[in-house]
Amino acid sequence: SQTIHQWPATLVQPVGSPLSLECTVEGTSNPNLYWYRQAAGRGLQLLFYSVGIGQISSEVPQNLSASRPQDRQFILSSKKLLLSDSGFYLCAWSYREWVTDTQYFGPGTRLTVL
Amino acid sequence: QKEVEQNSGPLSVPEGAIASLNCTYSDRGSQSFFWYRQYSGKSPELIMSIYSNGDKEDGRFTAQLNKASQYVSLLIRDSQPSDSATYLCAVNVSPGNQFYFGTGTSLTVIP
Repeated sequence: SQTIHQWPATLVQPVGSPLSLECTVEGTSNPNLYWYRQAAGRGLQLLFYSVGIGQISSEVPQNLSASRPQDRQFILSSKKLLLSDSGFYLCAWSYREWVTDTQYFGPGTRLTVL
Repeated sequence: QKEVEQNSGPLSVPEGAIASLNCTYSDRGSQSFFWYRQYSGKSPELIMSIYSNGDKEDGRFTAQLNKASQYVSLLIRDSQPSDSATYLCAVNVSPGNQFYFGTGTSLTVIP
């Protein structure tokens, strides 16, 4: 069976500090991978998605970046955090089942920027 | 722009009642539809998926899809306090592409 891991689970960082969040998927190969952010009481905001190693599509962020160094590893980074970067960061993966993709979420990282 | 709309709620139902959650989407080419449940402080959990017009039942949950009217709904029968959560509707236009999420409907089941 497939599992998705994220770490750390919680993180408190000062404004201006760097960020690195990691996500790994087990039990599958060549998954599509996604980073979402969910601000308190808000919906899911897609940040990045990747259909393969080194292939990253960016949706919104200015000071965030993503990398996919290995097939089942997805990393979210920032050089300098902003207060507005606080939120619940979710990694997700999807796979093809019959004629559709199905998406599953990791446990998430709760980031507080002070 | 592809949009998924949900009533934010909160929706309150008594224990044992049927909870009805609704979602509309803008892209007529959408192919796959999903309902996720998100408990407070936790990540979304997939509970139902539906691809064809009509009803799909899984235990106490029934998903209903009407592509002509561009809506998808989730019925929860015999609602339990443990069903209290935010329910997210999601749409996938085509395989290999993005998933679009609604902002979620908050459901409270009152004992």
